[in-house]
Amino acid sequence: EVQLEESGGGLVQPGGSLRLSCAASGFTLSDHYMDWIRQAPGKGLEWVGRTRNKVHSYSTEYAASVNGRFTISRDGSKNSMYLQMTSLKMEDTAVYYCVRGRNGLDVWGHGTTVTVSS
Amino acid sequence: DIQMTQSPSSLSASVGDRVTITCRASQGISNQLAWYQQKPGKVPKSLIYDASSVQSGVPSRFSASGSGTDFTLTISSLQPEDFATYYCQHYYNHPFIFGPGTTVDLK
Repeated sequence: EVQLEESGGGLVQPGGSLRLSCAASGFTLSDHYMDWIRQAPGKGLEWVGRTRNKVHSYSTEYAASVNGRFTISRDGSKNSMYLQMTSLKMEDTAVYYCVRGRNGLDVWGHGTTVTVSS
Repeated sequence: DIQMTQSPSSLSASVGDRVTITCRASQGISNQLAWYQQKPGKVPKSLIYDASSVQSGVPSRFSASGSGTDFTLTISSLQPEDFATYYCQHYYNHPFIFGPGTTVDLK
């Protein structure tokens, strides 16, 4: 079964850092484009960023709101993807979803909650 | 950036009703559009990709159409499990943008 599982969320102070992980099962992560999507409490969905597949050198794209602060990376040996978040702001508070970027965004993880608060 | 709008923002309907939701892009996006369903407290679920292709396992009462700037999602006969919020999203270029959502609730 194709699955994605996020981890690493938690409470962090403004200006702090956090690294989210996304472990894939049932498929090879390196073959696919992968995205991070977030949803602030009571709000809609917001695209955070994308990493392309191995054929496209795992290149990345980011939303303007996180560009320069967030970095997406992968570890093929662990079939995993990561979202390194730095200089966190209160407006980064959200549920963060790891999503496979095939046929739109076809497979979603259950999400991990990030709360930025003092 | 390409902006996405949806109408209506919410609608009330009864089981068995035919429901249509519209999504509009601020510029042409060819067929690079997807639709998602999200129930309260749950993970979004992919319904449609490439404007009109139905994801595997999605009931046949869901259909979609459109190209360029105007798109529609139709539920032919609303079922109790369809009460949810529906989002469109373009993936024509970066940044990908979601529409603000349309909430379908019980009349």
